[in-house]
Amino acid sequence: GDSVTQMEGPVTLSEEAFLTINCTYTATGYPSLFWYVQYPGEGLQLLLKATKADDKGSNKGFEATYRKETTSFHLEKGSVQVSDSAVYFCALMSSASKIIFGSGTRLSIRP
Amino acid sequence: DGGITQSPKYLFRKEGQNVTLSCEQNLNHDAMYWYRQDPGQGLRLIYYSQIVNDFQKGDIAEGYSVSREKKESFPLTVTSAQKNPTAFYLCASSIQGAGQETQYFGPGTRLLVL
Repeated sequence: GDSVTQMEGPVTLSEEAFLTINCTYTATGYPSLFWYVQYPGEGLQLLLKATKADDKGSNKGFEATYRKETTSFHLEKGSVQVSDSAVYFCALMSSASKIIFGSGTRLSIRP
Repeated sequence: DGGITQSPKYLFRKEGQNVTLSCEQNLNHDAMYWYRQDPGQGLRLIYYSQIVNDFQKGDIAEGYSVSREKKESFPLTVTSAQKNPTAFYLCASSIQGAGQETQYFGPGTRLLVL
């Protein structure tokens, strides 16, 4: 069945460092791909999405490019801030129109 | 403001007790979902509803029940048959059709067993 695999955390970086969180997927066809973010004690918020191959989703300085050749959707940010500390979930929309989430990656940013 | 509300924020359950988690949305969304989140794990789908008076089991429906009598409400009951209910429960909603992949989440309810 469809699945999402993302790098295990926690990831700890210093402020202004470059961020990459890896995400790969297994699915039938070309599903829509997403990154959701969960701040402490809150529900999830959609961060960005891409609906077809080579699309780049971007928001709040974060970017991810839909790579069908490598079935990947890695999250990147050039300069992280303390306020970016959260749990990040990679996800896809399955052929059954359900969202399949990865296990989440906890990101901590040191001042 | 439009959004999804969940109550209570924390809920305690005694052995053998049924408890109900509330989820209300004023976004006029047709579809609503319940997820369970365990530490270090992703979200797992419990139940979902695409329209009033209709709902389907997700991946981990055993020990849970839902109802969808109104468009804006989708309560989840954790029954005594659920042997390991301690988790963070998240409710979400979305439109149907184009754009349904964007789900809007509530703030969650943390359920603890006494």
